[in-house]
Amino acid sequence: DQQVKQNSPSLSVQEGRISILNCDYTNSMFDYFLWYKKYPAEGPTFLISISSIKDKNEDGRFTVFLNKSAKHLSLHIVPSQPGDSAVYFCAARPTSGTYKYIFGTGTRLKVLA
Amino acid sequence: NAGVMQNPRHLVRRRGQEARLRCSPMKGHSHVYWYRQLPEEGLKFMVYLQKENIIDESGMPKERFSAEFPKEGPSILRIQQVVRGDSAAYFCASSPPRGVETQYFGPGTRLLVL
Repeated sequence: DQQVKQNSPSLSVQEGRISILNCDYTNSMFDYFLWYKKYPAEGPTFLISISSIKDKNEDGRFTVFLNKSAKHLSLHIVPSQPGDSAVYFCAARPTSGTYKYIFGTGTRLKVLA
Repeated sequence: NAGVMQNPRHLVRRRGQEARLRCSPMKGHSHVYWYRQLPEEGLKFMVYLQKENIIDESGMPKERFSAEFPKEGPSILRIQQVVRGDSAAYFCASSPPRGVETQYFGPGTRLLVL
């Protein structure tokens, strides 16, 4: 039962354009969402997060949008750069009091120069 | 500014042997989490520990796997009598005592069972 889903396994974007990565969740009992970036043979690197009481959070080129009614999360990267090429994971934290994260399966972003 | 440290980075074991994976959290962090990533999958939560306490082990297999985070020293994930299906990347993350919002990950240990 995959509670956090990233339905696009891969995405290619031209350098300078916007990259939009999507994430859907099925459980309403998440209170915190995060995006991580992962390069091969490295650990996930925290990018940006958003609390469930907000609908947008912005940090430089990265913006995360949360649509609670649709149970949908998206990460916008603009402008995209070749160094952004990596696998992006969304993660959600349940409100149940445990602090474990539920991860999606990842989207591989390739930014073309 | 040392991040989360994990060692070894790569570990090869034969079936039936034991694997010990170590994790040193970031300075000032007292919460440790272990996750496992199988090929082409996302990270799956295994266990959450604080110093000398296991808080949540709901993701740990019932047999052969154990974890500890002693008062002194790194957290250890131990896998006894490894099988081929244990081959995966094991990631450790840590977070500070006050907040649990953001977990910071180590580089991972890639376990290969022959």
